[in-house]
Amino acid sequence: KNEVEQSPQNLTAQEGEFITINCSYSVGISALHWLQQHPGGGIVSLFMLSSGKKKHGRLIATINIQEKHSSLHITASHPRDSAVYICAVNTGNQFYFGTGTSLTVIP
Amino acid sequence: GAVVSQHPSWVICKSGTSVKIECRSLDFQATTMFWYRQFPKQSLMLMATSNEGSKATYEQGVEKDKFLINHASLTLSTLTVTSAHPEDSSFYICSAGDSSGPDTQYFGPGTRLTVL
Repeated sequence: KNEVEQSPQNLTAQEGEFITINCSYSVGISALHWLQQHPGGGIVSLFMLSSGKKKHGRLIATINIQEKHSSLHITASHPRDSAVYICAVNTGNQFYFGTGTSLTVIP
Repeated sequence: GAVVSQHPSWVICKSGTSVKIECRSLDFQATTMFWYRQFPKQSLMLMATSNEGSKATYEQGVEKDKFLINHASLTLSTLTVTSAHPEDSSFYICSAGDSSGPDTQYFGPGTRLTVL
């Protein structure tokens, strides 16, 4: 069993839709990261969370430490949001990565 | 925000040659740098952790003699893939942490290595 599980694995949405990507983890963490990887491979760090909620533009990330769960929300999705979104957790000693959620937003 | 660069962004080499990949923190001092590898359609896998001025710590299963890591300064870490083979073809990504703590990681754009 992976330490970090993401769902769904693949997601197709129409432009403008509200999108949610979920991440569950089984280890104690000091922080959780949401990463965005575009075709071609470049990775951008979207959020780092240790509690609560963060918002950046149309992106919102939440984390529930007790439930060991985090969600990434995209409001008013756009084709340029098409990418792979990766959840990663830091235990303080090690990083564990989810396998990613491939998002395609159709115009 | 903090920026991490990698060079080259892609490289093609012949089997048996060595390839060096650089990871630089452009506007902060990186006390710790991490090297990851990603095979197609798979998640990132941590290869090693390097701290400035000391030997890198390699993850289980990663050959330290094959993947040489040097973190000679607070802004530069290098990964050298020695005697590269086609199975080493992968996407190599570095991340860097500053003095604020290990939780803050800034990712480089990655280097795609193809070994013919």
